[in-house]
Amino acid sequence: QQPVQSPQAVILREGEDAVINCSSSKALYSVHWYRQKHGEAPVFLMILLKGGEQKGHEKISASFNEKKQQSSLYLTASQLSYSGTYFCGTPTGMDTGRRALTFGSGTRLQVQP
Amino acid sequence: DTGVSQDPRHKITKRGQNVTFRCDPISEHNRLYWYRQTLGQGPEFLTYFQNEAQLEKSRLLSDRFSAERPKGSFSTLEIQRTEQGDSAMYLCASSSGRLNQPQHFGDGTRLSIL
Repeated sequence: QQPVQSPQAVILREGEDAVINCSSSKALYSVHWYRQKHGEAPVFLMILLKGGEQKGHEKISASFNEKKQQSSLYLTASQLSYSGTYFCGTPTGMDTGRRALTFGSGTRLQVQP
Repeated sequence: DTGVSQDPRHKITKRGQNVTFRCDPISEHNRLYWYRQTLGQGPEFLTYFQNEAQLEKSRLLSDRFSAERPKGSFSTLEIQRTEQGDSAMYLCASSSGRLNQPQHFGDGTRLSIL
């Protein structure tokens, strides 16, 4: 089943913060985060693992709440380059890292000067 | 380190024609995935391979779709008797197959059905 992302879209000014949520109706073993710019391939950001710690990438970090079956992506002091669509993906099975991913419908982020 | 390569980048064809796309994964990656993406949606899983073995196919993959990875390196995705609904971006990704490793995507092949 497809994870649910919120919000669907967000507009920020440079330097502002944002949170993107990804929730699932089934048990999560890992969550994969990607960013896709228009006309380009999705680019890997990070993987959150069940029982793992919060991960970070530049000023982008994420958390994984197993009980709530939810992951959140935190963008701090946003830059123009952060604009794009953010997708979370969850493995189709327990064999995390080896299975295909089911992606949410994405959160469109636009950072303005 | 070359990334995932897909060919062609764009394909325009008439309804009813057959099309074939090629994907060259990152060289040391033994897992290869095909996804389809339509406007405003996330990638949808179609099928994936470990080496030359096709391990899983989505229910989205109708009988008109077939994928191969004959030597465990590059892969092809063929769509027979194309329909309007096949218009989409077809993405290929690869991974090392070890636990908790990311999938790296190619730039995709955009298919337009006239």
